[in-house]
Amino acid sequence: KQEVTQIPAALSVPEGENLVLNCSFTDSAIYNLQWFRQDPGKGLTSLLLIQSSQREQTSGRLNASLDKSSGRSTLYIAASQPGDSATYLCAVRQDQGGKLIFGQGTELSVKP
Amino acid sequence: SQTIHQWPATLVQPVGSPLSLECTVEGTSNPNLYWYRQAAGRGLQLLFYSVGIGQISSEVPQNLSASRPQDRQFILSSKKLLLSDSGFYLCAWSSGAYEQYFGPGTRLTVT
Repeated sequence: KQEVTQIPAALSVPEGENLVLNCSFTDSAIYNLQWFRQDPGKGLTSLLLIQSSQREQTSGRLNASLDKSSGRSTLYIAASQPGDSATYLCAVRQDQGGKLIFGQGTELSVKP
Repeated sequence: SQTIHQWPATLVQPVGSPLSLECTVEGTSNPNLYWYRQAAGRGLQLLFYSVGIGQISSEVPQNLSASRPQDRQFILSSKKLLLSDSGFYLCAWSSGAYEQYFGPGTRLTVT
């Protein structure tokens, strides 16, 4: 059974710092991996999707990497801003049915 | 562009009452549709998913049910709510196995 773990559960950094969020999964046979952002009381916003054949994806200040063999993904946020404060979730998809298995999330706080 | 709607945004219901949450998607056809629940401290749990009209798969046994009466409409229902049904309900869609997009959610409180 696939399990997704995100470490740390919470992170507080000063504005301007570069940071890395970690996601690990137990079964490397994934179809793709998706990173989301969730603001309090809101739905999820998709940030990046990495296909199983890809090593990384970039969008603006965000860069996500994927190492299937070791069961790991990282989300790198450059030059963090207070507006980046949110909970970040990673989720893996194991088949074409599209079901996502989520980690518990990392709650990020960027202090001005 | 595609958009996904959910209503109501918030709902307070007594134990034993019925439930109906609605989700609609615009700007795409034949989407895969999903219902998730996010309970406090328990992460996101997939409840149901559908790859077509009338095709529903249940992931977790419970007193909830789902229906897809139209291509872009997904409904979550219950005949009798339990206290444990409280949570944040999220609908999502995807085009096949590609990126999944989420709606704004419904906050359900069962009293």
